[in-house]
Amino acid sequence: DAGVIQSPRHEVTEMGQEVTLRCKPISGHDYLFWYRQTMMRGLELLIYFNNNVPIDDSGMPEDRFSAKMPNASFSTLKIQPSEPRDSAVYFCASSPYGGTYEQYFGPGTRLTVT
Amino acid sequence: RKEVEQDPGPFNVPEGATVAFNCTYSNSASQSFFWYRQDCRKEPKLLMSVYSSGNEDGRFTAQLNRASQYISLLIRDSKLSDSATYLCVVNSGTGNLIFGKGTKLSVKP
Repeated sequence: DAGVIQSPRHEVTEMGQEVTLRCKPISGHDYLFWYRQTMMRGLELLIYFNNNVPIDDSGMPEDRFSAKMPNASFSTLKIQPSEPRDSAVYFCASSPYGGTYEQYFGPGTRLTVT
Repeated sequence: RKEVEQDPGPFNVPEGATVAFNCTYSNSASQSFFWYRQDCRKEPKLLMSVYSSGNEDGRFTAQLNRASQYISLLIRDSKLSDSATYLCVVNSGTGNLIFGKGTKLSVKP
């Protein structure tokens, strides 16, 4: 079975550019999570969806970040405009049962903003 | 107090050694506990859930002490392939998981 799919795997962009990260969750999983990982702060939850509806976006750093889930098989995380401090690995994860059960992570997108 | 705290390590141990990691959490109402493993430049993957009575999976043993809000992971007979970062994970009060920053383990030949 295919796991969580993320694209691109690596993204290098210049400050001020728009960045869009994509995620396809495991089929049948009703919960989708976006995380950001840095050495300083570890793995932080940005936002999560249940049945395509955003449930908790309190982790989204600021208005430059937005996330959508137009259908059960696709989600995007957009940063506009990007800044060097946004450089991190962004993971998407999905779960069949909810936020407090096992989550399956995608391979991540390594973002570098110069 | 941080929500989930772990010793960052690194723990450098020889093959065959027994090593233990500890983790403390701040939310006394937490009900779900896990250990995840993350290899270098890879995604986190579930290693094992942690149950109140303690549980074992081969060389790995996890224990929970609710009174002290403390979770442990014991690895016996360490293998080179156990080298990774181990993340302690606890559910928050808002329906999601809180990840510790991880403890790095390096097993040497």
